[in-house]
Amino acid sequence: KNEVEQSPQNLTAQEGEFITINCSYSVGISALHWLQQHPGGGIVSLFMLSSGKKKHGRLIATINIQEKHSSLHITASHPRDSAVYICAVDTYTDKLIFGTGTRLQVFP
Amino acid sequence: EAGVTQSPTHLIKTRGQQATLRCSPISGHTSVYWYQQALGLGLQFLLWYDEGEERNRGNFPPRFSGRQFPNYSSELNVNALELEDSALYLCASSLGGRPYGYTFGSGTRLTVV
Repeated sequence: KNEVEQSPQNLTAQEGEFITINCSYSVGISALHWLQQHPGGGIVSLFMLSSGKKKHGRLIATINIQEKHSSLHITASHPRDSAVYICAVDTYTDKLIFGTGTRLQVFP
Repeated sequence: EAGVTQSPTHLIKTRGQQATLRCSPISGHTSVYWYQQALGLGLQFLLWYDEGEERNRGNFPPRFSGRQFPNYSSELNVNALELEDSALYLCASSLGGRPYGYTFGSGTRLTVV
């Protein structure tokens, strides 16, 4: 079993829909990251969380440390949100452990 | 402020050759991390350099090596290239490691033919 699990693996949505991507982990962490990877491969760091909730524009990330679970929400989704969203956890072993990603496609 | 820069963006090599990939961290960041994303697979940790020293490495053979220079830029060298080394290699930098945030470069896509 992977130490970081994401769901769903693939997600399609119509423009304007509310989207939720989930991440569960089984290791102790100091922080959790949400990353966005575009088709060219470049990665953008969206959030780094150690507790609670963060919001940036239409993106909201939450984390529940007790339940070892985080969610990434996208409100009013847009085709430019189409990308792979990756959850990564910062462990105490000095390296990030990545989930396998959620491929999101938003259609107009 | 310039982000993390990687060069080259694309690299094509023949099996058995050596590849050298470069990464310049954000100004002020002392840690550089290398990750491999093979086709269809998730990102895998390769190497971590901080203050010029290798601090940790992932489960990769010794053919994968690197170094960090006094200006904190880094090189990843892959010797005796194999076809399965074809992947996207991402570099990230941070200010001295956890719990500070990481900034990723756009990656070098290595193709071994």
